[in-house]
Amino acid sequence: RKEVEQDPGPFNVPEGATVAFNCTYSNSASQSFFWYRQDCRKEPKLLMSVYSSGNEDGRFTAQLNRASQYISLLIRDSKLSDSATYLCVVNETSSASKIIFGSGTRLSIRP
Amino acid sequence: GAGVSQSPSNKVTEKGKDVELRCDPISGHTALYWYRQSLGQGLEFLIYFQGNSAPDKSGLPSDRFSAERTGGSVSTLTIQRTQQEDSAVYLCASSLESRRYRGNQPQHFGDGTRLSIL
Repeated sequence: RKEVEQDPGPFNVPEGATVAFNCTYSNSASQSFFWYRQDCRKEPKLLMSVYSSGNEDGRFTAQLNRASQYISLLIRDSKLSDSATYLCVVNETSSASKIIFGSGTRLSIRP
Repeated sequence: GAGVSQSPSNKVTEKGKDVELRCDPISGHTALYWYRQSLGQGLEFLIYFQGNSAPDKSGLPSDRFSAERTGGSVSTLTIQRTQQEDSAVYLCASSLESRRYRGNQPQHFGDGTRLSIL
């Protein structure tokens, strides 16, 4: 089993739709979690951290389920500009040297 | 600028040559990471530097790869006797990491160096 797994997609949804995807992780002791987005042929950029209680940033909501070992990202009222690959990132230890990037979920928003 | 700076942005070289890639992290960031990403693939961890500690080299794919970080700031990744499979985008990231906030700080990436081995 991969340390961090994501559905590669692509998710193809119409503008304005709500879309959600999950990321599972194998190490129950993992300590911190992030979502990054990566546009085609660009570097990854931090989208949001994921907190234990869940957190929201505008149209984006991130949640952590430690019991089932997954994090989720929900995008409401999707925009064309949301089209990108979304990377799940899990830090397995407190030392930051064991940060695992998922392979990403590709999202495509159509007009 | 205030972001992570990498150079060159593109490098094309012949198989067997050595290449050197440079990363200038965000000022004050003590943690520095190198990754590589092949087309359509995820990020592959290469090496991690934190302050004056010994680097974590567990991701380096072979002894042809080495990296150093001088003065706790600029880092260079060197690939000797390049092979075609070394072709990828090499990404550098830095983060603000302290004794208190270990591992909880997000990484900030440079634009990457696109390396092509002919």
